[in-house]
Amino acid sequence: EVKLVESGGGLVQPGGSLRLSCATSGFTFTDYYMSWVRQPPGKALEWLGFIRNKANGYTTEYSASVKGRFTISRDNSQSILYLQMNTLRAEDSATYYCARETTGFDYWGQGTTLTVSS
Amino acid sequence: ENVLTQSPAIMSASPGEKVTMTCRASSSVSSSYLHWYQQKSGASPKLWIYSTSNLASGVPARFSGSGSGTSYSLTISSVEAEDAATYYCQQYSGYPLTFGAGTKLELK
Repeated sequence: EVKLVESGGGLVQPGGSLRLSCATSGFTFTDYYMSWVRQPPGKALEWLGFIRNKANGYTTEYSASVKGRFTISRDNSQSILYLQMNTLRAEDSATYYCARETTGFDYWGQGTTLTVSS
Repeated sequence: ENVLTQSPAIMSASPGEKVTMTCRASSSVSSSYLHWYQQKSGASPKLWIYSTSNLASGVPARFSGSGSGTSYSLTISSVEAEDAATYYCQQYSGYPLTFGAGTKLELK
């Protein structure tokens, strides 16, 4: 059974940093692109970026809204995806999902919530 | 950036009714890279239709998808109460990957 479980969300002050984790199981982690997607309360989904699979050298792509502030990485030995978030702003407050990408995002985690507030 | 515009933003339907929602792209999208997701309140999104017209596992046959180029649609042939949700289209024809703003389907 494929599972994705996010963790690490919480309350952070503006300008702060946080790292989210996405623990995965049930599939060969290195075979897949993995993405982060967020959703502010009551708003639409926003793709943040992905990290490619082994065959494509684990390279990354980001949306303009987070490029330079957020970094996606992966620990292939433990099948964990990470999202390092720096210089956080109030508008980064959202539920953050990790998702496996094949033809579309076929599996999603349950999400972890980040609140950026003083 | 390829902007996806979904319409209507909110729609209301009675059980048994046929409904269609649309997704229009600002630039052409390969039909292989246009997908739809269903999200119910408080839950994670679920892949619903992939590559324009292929139903994801477990999706009822009353759902269908079609389209090409810049215009795509999701149709429910006979709406049921369990279909109440927000539906998002998403494209992967270039970076960034983008989602539409969603169509919220309410049941009367």
